[in-house]
Amino acid sequence: EAGVAQSPRYKIIEKRQSVAFWCNPISGHATLYWYQQILGQGPKLLIQFQNNGVVDDSQLPKDRFSAERLKGVDSTLKIQPAKLEDSAVYLCASSPPGGGEQFFGPGTRLTVL
Amino acid sequence: AQTVTQSQPEMSVQEAETVTLSCTYDTSESNYYLFWYKQPPSRQMILVIRQEAYKQQNATENRFSVNFQKAAKSFSLKISDSQLGDTAMYFCAFMKRDNAGNMLTFGGGTRLMVKP
Repeated sequence: EAGVAQSPRYKIIEKRQSVAFWCNPISGHATLYWYQQILGQGPKLLIQFQNNGVVDDSQLPKDRFSAERLKGVDSTLKIQPAKLEDSAVYLCASSPPGGGEQFFGPGTRLTVL
Repeated sequence: AQTVTQSQPEMSVQEAETVTLSCTYDTSESNYYLFWYKQPPSRQMILVIRQEAYKQQNATENRFSVNFQKAAKSFSLKISDSQLGDTAMYFCAFMKRDNAGNMLTFGGGTRLMVKP
């Protein structure tokens, strides 16, 4: 069974530029999560999707971050414009119907200069 | 809202010895899961062990076991016969349990170094 796929693995941008991350969850997993992990900290949820609907985006900085999961499968997370403090690892995770364990992708390390 | 606290930023252990990582949490929920995740330098978050709050028996997975004290809201991880490959960041995490998927609330992590 293929795991959660993410791309790119690394991205370096200048502040005020835009960036997008892609995630493809495990087949059949209805719930998809995006977490932000700042260096030296635990991951923090940005947004949770159930199929193509948003369940929780209370911690998403909506003035600069957006996310979509149009067909209820893969998802993109966008930052526009990026700030220095957005430097972090962005982790995508998915879980099967009924909840329980979350399976994580390898993450995208973003560096904003 | 839930909070998870890991009070040990760094720990080290000699290969083949036993180490215990601490975690405390705060919640008003009665039905939940607790997890320990391992994050090696590759950044892949890997599930180590899971505990369901309604189960009194402590979970075990090979060399990994937990001490779950529900009343004290404590959830420690014991690693026996430590191996060099156990070197990683370890995160304790909380998830409310219902029929839908729920977010994980993570602690700040403990960096474990296994020395040869």
